[in-house]
Amino acid sequence: GAVVSQHPSRVICKSGTSVKIECRSLDFQATTMFWYRQFPKQSLMLMATSNEGSKATYEQGVEKDKFLINHASLTLSTLTVTSAHPEDSSFYICSARDRLAGGRETQYFGPGTRLLVL
Amino acid sequence: GQNIDQPTEMTATEGAIVQINCTYQTSGFNGLFWYQQHAAEAPTFLSYNVLDGLEEKGRFSSFLSRSKGYSYLLLKELQMKDSASYLCAVRDSNYQLIWGAGTKLIIKP
Repeated sequence: GAVVSQHPSRVICKSGTSVKIECRSLDFQATTMFWYRQFPKQSLMLMATSNEGSKATYEQGVEKDKFLINHASLTLSTLTVTSAHPEDSSFYICSARDRLAGGRETQYFGPGTRLLVL
Repeated sequence: GQNIDQPTEMTATEGAIVQINCTYQTSGFNGLFWYQQHAAEAPTFLSYNVLDGLEEKGRFSSFLSRSKGYSYLLLKELQMKDSASYLCAVRDSNYQLIWGAGTKLIIKP
């Protein structure tokens, strides 16, 4: 199956700093990438949908100035958590949609990034 | 509103069969997905159904009835490594994935 990488896998930072998370589709082109966060024992929560070359679409309640998303190419999207606070500590997961997969297109998930803000 | 329902937790015995149900009410339907998620890991794709009927893939099968807004994931010959959360997700008319809360499956020896 398609491979999506995510970096870093784990990050610990001080409150007030910014953290950048990269999401790459390794063997396919992804016109659309999705960013999720997941709190312990809870389901995935979609944060934003990122389309290559255009601005991301944020879900209600997600601050676009706090969670900056850039989708510069068909294989790379980045999420920057600006001025991180302890409540931002979570598991952040990206997924990518293979634009050539046709009707059975599936979202492939990256391994996730565990963020801990002290 | 849009809603996906699945049981919170299920327990089964190694070697047995378990069926995890999912019912949905969404604005439009463009396919239903099942994902497996082990603790502290990202979900991995298991199956995709867009037409009514049963899709079989090894030990896992997934069934869909669009008229009933119902799907199930069937796991056969359960192994300890099958202990995980199983997430049901429906793609709506906007091609957005609507996620269920997940079913935690506990396998006992």
